[in-house]
Amino acid sequence: AQSVTQLDSHVSVSEGTPVLLRCNYSSSYSPSLFWYVQHPNKGLQLLLKYTSAATLVKGINGFEAEFKKSETSFHLTKPSAHMSDAAEYFCVVSDPRTSGTYKYIFGTGTRLKVLA
Amino acid sequence: EAGVAQSPRYKIIEKRQSVAFWCNPISGHATLYWYQQILGQGPKLLIQFQNNGVVDDSQLPKDRFSAERLKGVDSTLKIQPAKLEDSAVYLCASSLRLAEETQYFGPGTRLLVL
Repeated sequence: AQSVTQLDSHVSVSEGTPVLLRCNYSSSYSPSLFWYVQHPNKGLQLLLKYTSAATLVKGINGFEAEFKKSETSFHLTKPSAHMSDAAEYFCVVSDPRTSGTYKYIFGTGTRLKVLA
Repeated sequence: EAGVAQSPRYKIIEKRQSVAFWCNPISGHATLYWYQQILGQGPKLLIQFQNNGVVDDSQLPKDRFSAERLKGVDSTLKIQPAKLEDSAVYLCASSLRLAEETQYFGPGTRLLVL
């Protein structure tokens, strides 16, 4: 069975400093991986996705993630944090099923706090 | 392109009452999902539709939850009767087709059961 582990439940950074949100996955297939962001009282917004093309994936708002098969990791980074980045971030692995559909397996989330 | 629409955005009810949520997916999206997100947790899939047929409802508490997508577009999720533990955000998502991995989420309906 596929799974994802977000290694930090809370991360605090100062505005203008780099952001690193860690995600490890477990998969018996070549996985598709996603990062979503959820601002307070909002739905989930897709930041970026990896689907077995380039291992370095660029997303919206300056975020990027690197797929590392040897480390089974898909960490999310941003060079410089902005106050508006404060939110909950979810790492997701897509689990293919015999029906031909996909089921999202969510991590437990990382709450990012950005300090002025 | 309009996103996934949901209503109402907030709902407060007393236990044992009934409640219904509505979702309109992105135009042309055949696959629709309902998730339950309890505070502090990641979303949990309740039910998945392909057009107007159910693909997966294994995690739906069928004694009190029901969902339908009669015309293969809009969908409603109903809880009857509600329990305190149903307090959560109910998210609707859609994807273009059954084999499409990327899901697009609506803003959610926040339910509080008193």
